[in-house]
Amino acid sequence: NAGVTQTPKFRVLKTGQSMTLLCAQDMNHEYMYWYRQDPGMGLRLIHYSVGEGTTAKGEVPDGYNVSRLKKQNFLLGLESAAPSQTSVYFCASSYSPDREGNIQYFGAGTRLSVL
Amino acid sequence: GQQVMQIPQYQHVQEGEDFTTYCNSSTTLSNIQWYKQRPGGHPVFLIQLVKSGEVKKQKRLTFQFGEAKKNSSLHITATQTTDVGTYFCAGVDSNYQLIWGAGTKLIIKP
Repeated sequence: NAGVTQTPKFRVLKTGQSMTLLCAQDMNHEYMYWYRQDPGMGLRLIHYSVGEGTTAKGEVPDGYNVSRLKKQNFLLGLESAAPSQTSVYFCASSYSPDREGNIQYFGAGTRLSVL
Repeated sequence: GQQVMQIPQYQHVQEGEDFTTYCNSSTTLSNIQWYKQRPGGHPVFLIQLVKSGEVKKQKRLTFQFGEAKKNSSLHITATQTTDVGTYFCAGVDSNYQLIWGAGTKLIIKP
């Protein structure tokens, strides 16, 4: 049982390049989330999904797109990376809230630098 | 929008001293969760408080949820080096959305 797995762990991009971050969970969770974490700012929600084929915007969605084609996977895309997107990105997943009250399980994170 | 304020941002303590972090919500919460993030790591769920006035303990950690369900605290007694990290509260609203506090970083002075 691997839990929540994120790939890659580290990445350096040049401004304007694109990339996709992959999140996979093996806990059969319905909900999945993408956060970014910047120093002193805690966790900010980018996008989330309440089930396969559905996505919704979070607090800071601009410059990012997501897809959830399979229940176990949640992809985060950066179409044209900017230095302001330098951050640590965390994926999380949870059961539907009526089961556990939305307790979230996090992946190890992806450290992204945009030069 | 709804906010959860968490203070202090940092706390330096000598090993063996106590540590407390506080969270205050602008609105009444459904419940509140606490997470710990070790340096270089990811947030890990610690506990969830649901009832008004609830108090829960995990060894040296004591968690409280206020009577009005708008504030919460985490108190660590006699800190140890293994307690180092950032502690986050996350308020859960009526739609089960998490509203994250900014975190309190616990630093143990040598």
